[in-house]
Formats: sequence, structure tokens, C-alpha cells
Amino acid sequence: QKEVEQNSGPLSVPEGAIASLNCTYSDRVSQSFFWYRQYSGKSPELIMSIYSNGDKEDGRFTAQLNKASQYVSLLIRDSQPSDSATYLCAVEDRGSTLGRLYFGRGTQLTVWP
Amino acid sequence: DAGVTQSPTHLIKTRGQQVTLRCSPISGHKSVSWYQQVLGQGPQFIFQYYEKEERGRGNFPDRFSARQFPNYSSELNVNALLLGDSALYLCASSFPGGGEYFGPGTRLTVT
Repeated sequence: QKEVEQNSGPLSVPEGAIASLNCTYSDRVSQSFFWYRQYSGKSPELIMSIYSNGDKEDGRFTAQLNKASQYVSLLIRDSQPSDSATYLCAVEDRGSTLGRLYFGRGTQLTVWP
Repeated sequence: DAGVTQSPTHLIKTRGQQVTLRCSPISGHKSVSWYQQVLGQGPQFIFQYYEKEERGRGNFPDRFSARQFPNYSSELNVNALLLGDSALYLCASSFPGGGEYFGPGTRLTVT
């Protein structure tokens, strides 16, 4: 059974701060990693994907991957109240090339004005 | 372009009944997956279909079944509903290596 663990929340940061979300995974050979944002009562929305070690930046979001440490993180710079949501880390099943994902339980982020 | 669509949005059933949920993938996507998300948890994989063939099945009982049609739309069926089947059921479509794109979900309540 593949395990995906996320840092326990909830996480609360002031507007304008950096929010740091962390995730570890058990399957050493996993190659594809994703971050989803889920607003209350809505479905998950794909916000970042990362496949190689290092950093990947998209606007205010930066995903970081360290395969040796089996660790992936998401940084949100200049956090806004609209970023308040649950963030889900997902790891693609190495036996599948068609997208089957294993998810963590999510970290709830609150950005207060 | 239209995203993944699901119907119905909400559903209330009683224990022992059967339910059918429907999904249409993003145009051009041939893979459809179903996930179950209970409150406070991440989505859990149920089924994956590609080109009308089952490509994967999660740890769910045989009461759960699915199929994919020639137009790549899909149905998820759950028989003999239990209270514990109450959840948000998510359909996702994908292309290889691109991640899953979720529909709005069907909220199933079993009473």
C-alpha cells in the first residue's frame, strides 16, 4: 500500500506571508507528483505538477521535489485570503501511465487578512 | 473547452438501494477514473478505464462496478448501499503523465 503523508494542519498564516506545505511518500520509484487545491464543498483542482528534482515555479506557487528524500513541498508566496483551502498532495502510481493517483489527507490552509 | 461533467450533483438514497453515477471526460481524453472522498480524507481510487477496458481497481467491494462507453463516458454503479458509502464521488479524466482532472463530483448521502 502506497503511503502519502502530509504535514498535519490546520495551517494559519497572515496575508502576504509564505505558506509552506509538505508531503512525503513511501514509493521510492514514483516519478510524478501533483498538488491539488480543494475549496470547501468543491472538487480538487490541479494547481501544480512536478516530475524532476528541484524547484518548479508558477506564479506565486513553487513546487519542490527531492526524490532521494521522498519529499515534495508547495510554497505559496504572498498568500491571499482566496488561497484558504485544503491542499492535497498526490503521487502517481508507478505501475500506471494513465494517471491513477494516491492522495494524502490534505492540509487545511487559512490565510487571515 | 468543457471540463469533466458529472451527474447528478446530489443524491439521497436509503440503505440497500442501488445508485448509478455518470461522467463525461474532457474531449480527447480516453481515460476515466473514479474516486471516493469521505469527509476529512483525500480521494481514494476506485476504478480506472481506458478505451473501454478496466485498467485498475482499488480496494473496494464487488458492490462497486463501472463501465466505459464508446464515447468514453462512464458510469459507476454501487449496489446494496451502506451508510458508509456516503461520500463525494469524483470522476477524473487524464492523458498519460498529465495528472487527473476532476469533475464537480456527486455528493451521495445514504440514510
